[in-house]
Amino acid sequence: DQQVKQNSPSLSVQEGRISILNCDYTNSMFDYFLWYKKYPAEGPTFLISISSIKDKNEDGRFTVFLNKSAKHLSLHIVPSQPGDSAVYFCAARRYTGTASKLTFGTGTRLQVTL
Amino acid sequence: DGGITQSPKYLFRKEGQNVTLSCEQNLNHDAMYWYRQDPGQGLRLIYYSQIVNDFQKGDIAEGYSVSREKKESFPLTVTSAQKNPTAFYLCASSIRARGEQFFGPGTRLTVL
Repeated sequence: DQQVKQNSPSLSVQEGRISILNCDYTNSMFDYFLWYKKYPAEGPTFLISISSIKDKNEDGRFTVFLNKSAKHLSLHIVPSQPGDSAVYFCAARRYTGTASKLTFGTGTRLQVTL
Repeated sequence: DGGITQSPKYLFRKEGQNVTLSCEQNLNHDAMYWYRQDPGQGLRLIYYSQIVNDFQKGDIAEGYSVSREKKESFPLTVTSAQKNPTAFYLCASSIRARGEQFFGPGTRLTVL
């Protein structure tokens, strides 16, 4: 059962425009959500996160929006730059009181074109 | 520089052999994790450890084993019981159980 879904495997955006990456989840026990960026043959790098008690978090060009009622979050990148081309993973955290586990989506490959 | 190191970057083994992947961190993080990534899939949790000398199975632990004898080190052994061991293996750590996880560069294991 895929508890975290990224339904768009790829996205192409022109440089300077907005990139919007989407993520849906099914488990109401997730309390924290994260976005990671990954280049081929490298480990993911942490990008931005949001707590389930918030609906927006902003860091420079990156903004994450959380809609709890829809169990949906999105990552906005404005303006998009060629260096943003990578695979973006959405992850959701469930904290059990003694341990914290992340569940990852399958990723969206973003291509920023000139 | 603080960080997470994984070695080697590429590893080749014959079918039926056990192989151990190294993961070391000098970030003074308490928690460490092992994930596996296959093409077109997200990262799946193999094992995790919140504290030295303690570890728990993740979602796909069968065919793998770990140890956590030191805070800095969390080696993963891929045993011959793992049916599809060829994959990209990622180690991560976090300052505490609830903190953001930071990843190493990964090891690509190919079993021939």
